[in-house]
Amino acid sequence: AQSVTQLGSHVSVSEGALVLLRCNYSSSVPPYLFWYVQYPNQGLQLLLKYTSAATLVKGINGFEAEFKKSETSFHLTKPSAHMSDAAEYFCAVRTAYGQNFVFGPGTRLSVLP
Amino acid sequence: DAGITQSPRHKVTETGTPVTLRCHQTENHRYMYWYRQDPGHGLRLIHYSYGVKDTDKGEVSDGYSVSRSKTEDFLLTLESATSSQTSVYFCAIKGLAGGLTDTQYFGPGTRLTVL
Repeated sequence: AQSVTQLGSHVSVSEGALVLLRCNYSSSVPPYLFWYVQYPNQGLQLLLKYTSAATLVKGINGFEAEFKKSETSFHLTKPSAHMSDAAEYFCAVRTAYGQNFVFGPGTRLSVLP
Repeated sequence: DAGITQSPRHKVTETGTPVTLRCHQTENHRYMYWYRQDPGHGLRLIHYSYGVKDTDKGEVSDGYSVSRSKTEDFLLTLESATSSQTSVYFCAIKGLAGGLTDTQYFGPGTRLTVL
C-alpha cells in the first residue's frame, strides 16, 4: 500500500528565506509524485510532478522538488520565500499502474515579513 | 482550468437529511473522484469512477454513495447526513498528459455543514 508523510504540519519562514517542505512516501512499485498547493478557500492547484524522467523537477512559482529513491523522499524547495507563498501544501503519490492518488496530511506554510 | 464545477459551493443541512453534491466536467475525462478534506487528514478518497456507471469505493466510503449516468456528471449522495460528514468536499478528474503520466485536477470544493 502507498502512503505519504509530511514532516511538520506548520512551517514558518521569513520573507526571502529558503522554503523546505518535506515529503516521504512508501510505495512497492515506482511512484509518480506530486506537489499541490491550496490557497485559502480554493481547490488544489498542481505545483509540479515527478514521472520518472529527471529527478529534479521544476514547477510553477519558483518551486522545485528532488526525487531521491534511496531516501524515499520528494522534498519541495524554493530559494526565496514570498508573502504570496503562504498556503497549504500537499504531497501525493500514485503508482505507475494505479488510478488512485494518496495524499499526505498537508503542511501549512506561513511567511513572516 | 480543467473545466470542473461543483454545486452547491456551500450547504448547511440538518442531521438525518439526504444531501447530493454535483460535480460537472466539460472535457470528457474518464476518471472522476470525490474526496473529503479535514484538518490533519489531508484529502481522503470517498469514491471514484472510471466510466459511466462504473464506480468503486475509496478509503472513507461508509455513509456515501455515488452515481455517474453521464460522462460529465459525478454525483455524491449522503443518504442520511451526520455531523461527522461536516467537511469540505472536492471533486477531481484525472487528465491525460501522455501515457501514464496523468494528473489530477480539482474543482473549487463544496463546504458542507451538518447541524
